[in-house]
Amino acid sequence: GAVVSQHPSRVICKSGTSVKIECRSLDFQATTMFWYRQFPKQSLMLMATSNEGSKATYEQGVEKDKFLINHASLTLSTLTVTSAHPEDSSFYICSARDPQGDTEQFFGPGTRLTVL
Amino acid sequence: GQNIDQPTEMTATEGAIVQINCTYQTSGFNGLFWYQQHAGEAPTFLSYNVLDGLEEKGRFSSFLSRSKGYSYLLLKELQMKDSASYLCAALDSNYQLIWGAGTKLIIKP
Repeated sequence: GAVVSQHPSRVICKSGTSVKIECRSLDFQATTMFWYRQFPKQSLMLMATSNEGSKATYEQGVEKDKFLINHASLTLSTLTVTSAHPEDSSFYICSARDPQGDTEQFFGPGTRLTVL
Repeated sequence: GQNIDQPTEMTATEGAIVQINCTYQTSGFNGLFWYQQHAGEAPTFLSYNVLDGLEEKGRFSSFLSRSKGYSYLLLKELQMKDSASYLCAALDSNYQLIWGAGTKLIIKP
């Protein structure tokens, strides 16, 4: 299947700083990527849908000025958590859909963010 | 509203069979996914059903009944490595995944 990479896999930062997470589709071009957040023992929560060359579509309750998404190319989407606070500590996962394939989403390995 | 229901936790014995059920209510339906997620890792794809019936893939099988809004994941010959959370997700009319909370499966020797 298609491969999606995510970087970094783990990041620890101080409160008030910004953190950028990269999501790359390695062997296919993804016009659409998805960003999820998962708190311990909870399900995946879709944060936003990232569309190449246009603005991301955010889910209700997700602050677009806090979670900046840039999908500058067909293989890269970035999520920047601005002015991070301890409550932003979570597992962030991206996924991408191969437009040449079926409806399956391919997930990156996830990024564990810890804000001190 | 849209909703996915699955049991929170199940326990089974190594070598046995376990069935994890999932019921869904979505705005439109374009298929149902099952994912496996080990602690601290991203989900990995197990199966996709869009037509009624049973899809078998090795030790894992998935069943779908669209009229009942129901699916199950069947795991045979359980191994210790099968201990994980199993996520049910339905694809709605906008091709957006609606996720269940996951079923934590505990395998005992």
